[in-house]
Amino acid sequence: GENVEQHPSTLSVQEGDSAVIKCTYSDSASNYFPWYKQELGKRPQLIIDIRSNVGEKKDQRIAVTLNKTAKHFSLHITETQPEDSAVYFCAANYGQNFVFGPGTRLSVLP
Amino acid sequence: DAMVIQNPRYQVTQFGKPVTLSCSQTLNHNVMYWYQQKSSQAPKLLFHYYDKDFNNEADTPDNFQSRRPNTSFCFLDIRSPGLGDAAMYLCATSNSGFYNEQFFGPGTRLTVL
Repeated sequence: GENVEQHPSTLSVQEGDSAVIKCTYSDSASNYFPWYKQELGKRPQLIIDIRSNVGEKKDQRIAVTLNKTAKHFSLHITETQPEDSAVYFCAANYGQNFVFGPGTRLSVLP
Repeated sequence: DAMVIQNPRYQVTQFGKPVTLSCSQTLNHNVMYWYQQKSSQAPKLLFHYYDKDFNNEADTPDNFQSRRPNTSFCFLDIRSPGLGDAAMYLCATSNSGFYNEQFFGPGTRLTVL
């Protein structure tokens, strides 16, 4: 089955700096990779996703890159703001299912 | 607005007392999922329905059961809750297909006394 690893587990950055979170997956059949932001006590919110036929996708301050050969994908947040502080999960599809990475707690320090 | 709804948002039960959590959707998605999420951990898939077909994860305890009486509704039954079952339970839906985005409900936080 699919296995997703995520690093780092915690990340602290100064406001305005960039943050990068990296994930690797094991199943080459996975073709859809969403990223979720989860604030305390709330549901995971999809912030960006990437499909296997694309290498990079950007939405304002958020970008995701995918390297299918190496089976890894990364989330990039530029010009971080305190409201970006949350837990971020990457995921990879596995048939109809999704496997989540263990999460990264991002803290943006003012 | 099309959405995924979970009831109740908070549920308190006693050790060993059966409890049912509810999920409904207006998205007309054919796949529905139940996840368990404990504090500071990733959501863990318990099972999913692809239309009427039930798919159980291998490590989901027998204590957890599910029903999907129609496309819109899905229920999670915990037959004899233990203290370790206290968690947030998330329902999600998606359409089957090549790139299947998931839509999450707000979750039900279960407390076991």
